[in-house]
Amino acid sequence: DAGVTQSPTHLIKTRGQQVTLRCSPKSGHDTVSWYQQALGQGPQFIFQYYEEEERQRGNFPDRFSGHQFPNYSSELNVNALLLGDSALYLCASSLSWGGEQYFGPGTRLTVT
Amino acid sequence: QKEVEQNSGPLSVPEGAIASLNCTYSDRGSQSFFWYRQYSGKSPELIMSIYSNGDKEDGRFTAQLNKASQYVSLLIRDSQPSDSATYLCAVRDSGAGSYQLTFGKGTKLSVIP
Repeated sequence: DAGVTQSPTHLIKTRGQQVTLRCSPKSGHDTVSWYQQALGQGPQFIFQYYEEEERQRGNFPDRFSGHQFPNYSSELNVNALLLGDSALYLCASSLSWGGEQYFGPGTRLTVT
Repeated sequence: QKEVEQNSGPLSVPEGAIASLNCTYSDRGSQSFFWYRQYSGKSPELIMSIYSNGDKEDGRFTAQLNKASQYVSLLIRDSQPSDSATYLCAVRDSGAGSYQLTFGKGTKLSVIP
């Protein structure tokens, strides 16, 4: 049973650039959520995608956007990168009704 | 602002002892609660979910929920050095159409051999 996968594992970008992170949900799951985890903090909810639409959004600026594809995989895009965007970006998959969310291995983004 | 509070630790327990991790939350209407384990440099791993008042046991882990006190805890029996990690408490926000999880900052557990 394939778990949640994310790519790339690590990424180094320069301030002002744009980045795209990718996620494939666990087999049988149709909902993808994205979280940002800064060092020493708990994950912070960015947004959730279901049926190819953003269903809920956390307190993140419009520089953060996403997409969900018909196969339920998802992308997170961040424009105009800031140093403060350096973090571990986590994708979590779940069923549409809510309940348990399972995390992928994460993408470590470093902005210099 | 919905909040989830945890003692940051570190919590140190000897091998074989019971580790007790606590969490309080501010959203009185929350119905779903989760414990995740996160090893250093890794992503969170779901270890327990609990939805009803009382205790829920799974192997060496027991989750306890008291909605009236807005309190959820995790007990780890017969603690092993491999249990050394940061434990994150997560609460699903209440309200129609809300699916996001609010996390605490985590409690760092160290099991001493």
